Amino acid sequence: NAGVTQTPKFRILKIGQSMTLQCTQDMNHNYMYWYRQDPGMGLKLIYYSVGAGITDKGEVPNGYNVSRSTTEDFPLRLELAAPSQTSVYFCASSSGRDRDYGYTFGSGTRLTVV
Amino acid sequence: GNSVTQMEGPVTLSEEAFLTINCTYTATGYPSLFWYVQYPGEGLQLLLKATKADDKGSNKGFEATYRKETTSFHLEKGSVQVSDSAVYFCALTRNSGGSNYKLTFGKGTLLTVNP
Repeated sequence: NAGVTQTPKFRILKIGQSMTLQCTQDMNHNYMYWYRQDPGMGLKLIYYSVGAGITDKGEVPNGYNVSRSTTEDFPLRLELAAPSQTSVYFCASSSGRDRDYGYTFGSGTRLTVV
Repeated sequence: GNSVTQMEGPVTLSEEAFLTINCTYTATGYPSLFWYVQYPGEGLQLLLKATKADDKGSNKGFEATYRKETTSFHLEKGSVQVSDSAVYFCALTRNSGGSNYKLTFGKGTLLTVNP
């Protein structure tokens, strides 16, 4: 049971480059989320999705885009990378019954923009 | 809006010491409360939860009691081990409309346990 899989684990980007962070879950969860974790700042929600074809902004969406064409996949796109996007990114999924089960998280992608 | 406040870290303890990490929250209605743990280089894992007032969540020797009167959910363990060294996050979830629940996290508390 793989759970939530994120790739890559590490990446260094130059300012202005673009990349896609991949996230796949095999639990048939409808809800998926992207968070960024900055040192001493906890986790901030970037985007989330309540099902295939439906996405919405979280607290810090600027500079990012998402799509949800299937239940399993929820990629996060960074266009024109900036140093402020240096962070650790976590993808998570849930069944929607979060009051009982909480979220399942991936192991994260550590991104450095130089 | 919803918010979670955790005690500032880092916290450094000796093995077998008693652990308390304070967590208080602000939310309307009746949120569910969680503690997540993040071991070095890994993602967050659910440690324990409580869904209503006076519930006690427990797992791996950790406990936390949902106190509505003090809006608190403090994490405790009677005897910590080196393997408990990690970052601990308090979180809450409320129905944000429809059937979608979104987690709100505290900033995290780094715990280091020395042998």
